[in-house]
Amino acid sequence: DTGVSQDPRHKITKRGQNVTFRCDPISEHNRLYWYRQTLGQGPEFLTYFQNEAQLEKSRLLSNRFSAERPKGSFSTLEIQRTEQGDSAMYLCASSAIIAGGLTRWYGYTFGSGTRLTVV
Amino acid sequence: QKEVEQDPGPLSVPEGAIVSLNCTYSNSAFQYFMWYRQYSRKGPELLMYTYSSGNKEDGRFTAQVDKSSKYISLFIRDSQPSDSATYLCAMSSSGSARQLTFGSGTQLTVLP
Repeated sequence: DTGVSQDPRHKITKRGQNVTFRCDPISEHNRLYWYRQTLGQGPEFLTYFQNEAQLEKSRLLSNRFSAERPKGSFSTLEIQRTEQGDSAMYLCASSAIIAGGLTRWYGYTFGSGTRLTVV
Repeated sequence: QKEVEQDPGPLSVPEGAIVSLNCTYSNSAFQYFMWYRQYSRKGPELLMYTYSSGNKEDGRFTAQVDKSSKYISLFIRDSQPSDSATYLCAMSSSGSARQLTFGSGTQLTVLP
């Protein structure tokens, strides 16, 4: 499978617990993105990595959120002390950027997301 | 006010109809415009990608961008029941699209 893989697909947790999601991007893609989508809304940017470096973070990414991409491969998104407002679909996407000369972008490939429900 | 506004619908059309989906935006720095399709319980998939103003056609899909009016459209010709999904517009000021700003999506149902 050459798509973006996310695990788990669905997570139900109690308020106050910590949760961690995993994303495996397309292997040749050097950029990885995390977005959050609530019901009836479009995805909202959280953060992105180029290789292992986290280059940009949204103000939506509070101190309770942390993302990592060790060795520039898979990524994890951890939410500490979950709140009911964290309930959403967490989407991962990856893309390829050709460095040097003309930068080209061929579009994101999104995973199917992890649906988080905080009860 | 959101940077990108999109009519949420729902929009219901008979099979074979021409569908028009639209977004308006307020940030004049946006230069790259995309349309994504999202089926239920799936991630968005890229349909069309355009730069600056103009039209782009791909099969039954046509994307239009009017930067002077800050208005973008997606037309679907000969709509099919398999086109039933939520359509999201997305925009970026950067060609490498480090961060996309999405509309809230329009839910489309094509009736057989």
